[in-house]
Amino acid sequence: NAGVMQNPRHLVRRRGQEARLRCSPMKGHSHVYWYRQLPEEGLKFMVYLQKENIIDESGMPKERFSAEFPKEGPSILRIQQVVRGDSAAYFCASSPTGADSSYNEQFFGPGTRLTVL
Amino acid sequence: KQEVTQIPAALSVPEGENLVLNCSFTDSAIYNLQWFRQDPGKGLTSLLLIQSSQREQTSGRLNASLDKSSGRSTLYIAASQPGDSATYLCAVKDIGAGSYQLTFGKGTKLSVIP
Repeated sequence: NAGVMQNPRHLVRRRGQEARLRCSPMKGHSHVYWYRQLPEEGLKFMVYLQKENIIDESGMPKERFSAEFPKEGPSILRIQQVVRGDSAAYFCASSPTGADSSYNEQFFGPGTRLTVL
Repeated sequence: KQEVTQIPAALSVPEGENLVLNCSFTDSAIYNLQWFRQDPGKGLTSLLLIQSSQREQTSGRLNASLDKSSGRSTLYIAASQPGDSATYLCAVKDIGAGSYQLTFGKGTKLSVIP
């Protein structure tokens, strides 16, 4: 039973380019969360998605960032026109149903490390 | 707004020593608290999850305690080994709006010297 998978593991972009980060949740998990870890900072929640729905994107920057979790395929975090401040580790987590319950644990992927030159 | 603080930010101990990592949180209305381990350039490995109704959880040489009323948790590592060197993260899951998101501390970077 594979864990949460993320690709690429490392991504280098020049300022102004687009970055696409992919996350495949654990088998049987229908809830996906994205977190960002800036250098020397803790992980910060960005967005919570279920299949074909964005449930909460309150932690996502208002511009240039978007996320989706289509009916088929992985969840995608998309960053348009990247800037140096976007350099960070982006982690995806998944959980089974009942995301707001006490017993619903999130399982984390290995992360994608984005470097913007 | 929930805030999680971990002290110390970094800790260096000789091999074999017992040690305690601290985590505090400002809002006691939580579902649970979780301790993670993060190795450099790697993802997060869940170590222990304590439900709000529990006082502690144990796994091998690790013991985590939770005092919800005072907003504190400790992670005790017995007989430390060089392989324990990593950053340890504490995270809480709040009750209420946004209860699906975890709020993390910045972590304690542990170095165990052989």
